[in-house]
Amino acid sequence: SQQGEEDPQALSIQEGENATMNCSYKTSINNLQWYRQNSGRGLVHLILIRSNEREKHSGRLRVTLDTSKKSSSLLITASRAADTASYFCATDTGANSKLTFGKGITLSVRP
Amino acid sequence: DSGVTQTPKHLITATGQRVTLRCSPRSGDLSVYWYQQSLDQGLQFLIQYYNGEERAKGNILERFSAQQFPDLHSELNLSSLELGDSALYFCASSTSRTGRNTIYFGEGSWLTVV
Repeated sequence: SQQGEEDPQALSIQEGENATMNCSYKTSINNLQWYRQNSGRGLVHLILIRSNEREKHSGRLRVTLDTSKKSSSLLITASRAADTASYFCATDTGANSKLTFGKGITLSVRP
Repeated sequence: DSGVTQTPKHLITATGQRVTLRCSPRSGDLSVYWYQQSLDQGLQFLIQYYNGEERAKGNILERFSAQQFPDLHSELNLSSLELGDSALYFCASSTSRTGRNTIYFGEGSWLTVV
């Protein structure tokens, strides 16, 4: 079963625009991690945010976490064509060791 | 480069055969995870090892098995392969026994069963 559900499923924007992707989850978490996957390639770790954190930044990435709403968002500012990829949120509930992934968001950035 | 190394990158094999996928975790990481990614199932957790011991089990078929060796590398064995086993298999590693630290993924092994 999916713990994280990303929204929207697909997003197409113009280069230079900001991209906002959302993730909702069902049960309490210890942390939430965002990953990027270029077509057919490996998963690249972007950011980990813990349940006691509300916001984290890394370069052009900003992640927020609202545990009361069981949701997280990933903002990519000033997007580039190279940001075109699938983005996944993954949650650690602490019940076991695994990360549970959502189905991913396909982001297309048009040059 | 995540530091997690997987071999082979691509593999084509026939139904009924057996294959072994190999993973070297990041230096110093004791946890190794295996995930399967397919179009219909998405990313599914298969199994985790920590310092040689099985730590957690997910949706791993009985035809599949894994182990982690004393040097911490891991192998995923897939036997009696079926067409539906065609997928991208990821290995990931972490310093932590639990999921509380960053989990780094390799580039994956593409398995095609024909």
